[in-house]
Amino acid sequence: DAGVTQSPTHLIKTRGQHVTLRCSPISGHKSVSWYQQVLGQGPQFIFQYYEKEERGRGNFPDRFSARQFPNYSSELNVNALLLGDSALYLCASSPSPYGNQPQHFGDGTRLSIL
Amino acid sequence: GEDVEQSLFLSVREGDSSVINCTYTDSSSTYLYWYKQEPGAGLQLLTYIFSNMDMKQDQRLTVLLNKKDKHLSLRIADTQTGDSAIYFCAERINAGNMLTFGGGTRLMVKP
Repeated sequence: DAGVTQSPTHLIKTRGQHVTLRCSPISGHKSVSWYQQVLGQGPQFIFQYYEKEERGRGNFPDRFSARQFPNYSSELNVNALLLGDSALYLCASSPSPYGNQPQHFGDGTRLSIL
Repeated sequence: GEDVEQSLFLSVREGDSSVINCTYTDSSSTYLYWYKQEPGAGLQLLTYIFSNMDMKQDQRLTVLLNKKDKHLSLRIADTQTGDSAIYFCAERINAGNMLTFGGGTRLMVKP
């Protein structure tokens, strides 16, 4: 069975541009979460979606947005990119946000801002 | 607020046991997790423990939880060179499935 898949694997952008990152959850998983991992740090929670609705949001500016599609895949959008947005963006999926439903992570998209 | 802390670095010899420690501050944590990250990869779930347990063993891995001191540890028995990676502990609180991660402990295993 396929795990969580993310695309693209690497991306280079310049300041001020926008970017869209994509995530396909494990088959049967309806909840998707996004995390930002700056080099040398632990992941920071950005968003959680379940059944196409936002269920949680971390401490990130409005330049960050996301959505979940009927097939439970998800997109993370970042506008007006800053140098500090350079990071590994991780997507995680779980069957639901309830009970003990461990999150399973993809390999991430490495975003570099020049 | 939540804060999860880990020591930065641990070095052990192949065949020895490794113990990676983690402290957390949110007493309402429901589950605590250990993830492994190898270079250039995402996070691999290793094991987890529910907050009403104090120990969980899973093959070479043993998790110990001291709720009074808010201290979590991961013991890896018979550590191998393939165990070299960064290990993250994470806590989940009642409000949804959001995880708060520590900064990670880099484990280096010497042959």
